[in-house]
Amino acid sequence: ETGVTQSPTHLIKTRGQQVTLRCSSQSGHNTVSWYQQALGQGPQFIFQYYREEENGRGNFPPRFSGLQFPNYSSELNVNALELDDSALYLCASRTGLAGTLNTGELFFGEGSRLTVL
Amino acid sequence: DAKTTQPTSMDCAEGRAANLPCNHSTISGNEYVYWYRQIHSQGPQYIIHGLKNNETNEMASLIITEDRKSSTLILPHATLRDTAVYYCIVNRAGTALIFGKGTTLSVSS
Repeated sequence: ETGVTQSPTHLIKTRGQQVTLRCSSQSGHNTVSWYQQALGQGPQFIFQYYREEENGRGNFPPRFSGLQFPNYSSELNVNALELDDSALYLCASRTGLAGTLNTGELFFGEGSRLTVL
Repeated sequence: DAKTTQPTSMDCAEGRAANLPCNHSTISGNEYVYWYRQIHSQGPQYIIHGLKNNETNEMASLIITEDRKSSTLILPHATLRDTAVYYCIVNRAGTALIFGKGTTLSVSS
């Protein structure tokens, strides 16, 4: 089975620009989550999508938005980039219904490293 | 905020067992203990999880105390490739994982 793939792997933007990061979930997975990991910190939860609907969100402003498509691929969009948005952005997927007794493991991609100048 | 407390760093000799402790004194009855690790510049990797009973898989063993307020991840024969940041996470099934800063394990020859 294919793993979680993310693109691009690295990118550089300037303050105020917009960015779109993409994720292809592992085959058969219908739930995708996005995390932000600043240097030296653990990953922080941004939001989660299940069957194209957002069903959980962390403490991130509305300029962080996402989409999940019928094929379960996903996008993370960040508007009005700030210097503090520089981080590794991780996508993770798993099977099952969010919020139920699914204890399945999360499968993470290798991340997209965003640098904001 | 993360609900767990882990040492910042630990060292282990190659071939020896690595025992990584985690305190989660406020854990609720329906919360699981998960362990993930992150090797430098890679995404986190699932290791193991448990609710009450001890668990073992091909990667590691998880020992949970009877009162469930702490646990230990055991890597039975650590190798250089086990050098990573190890995250202990307490989580209700299906909800988002909340990561702390984890324990940096350094395995040396």
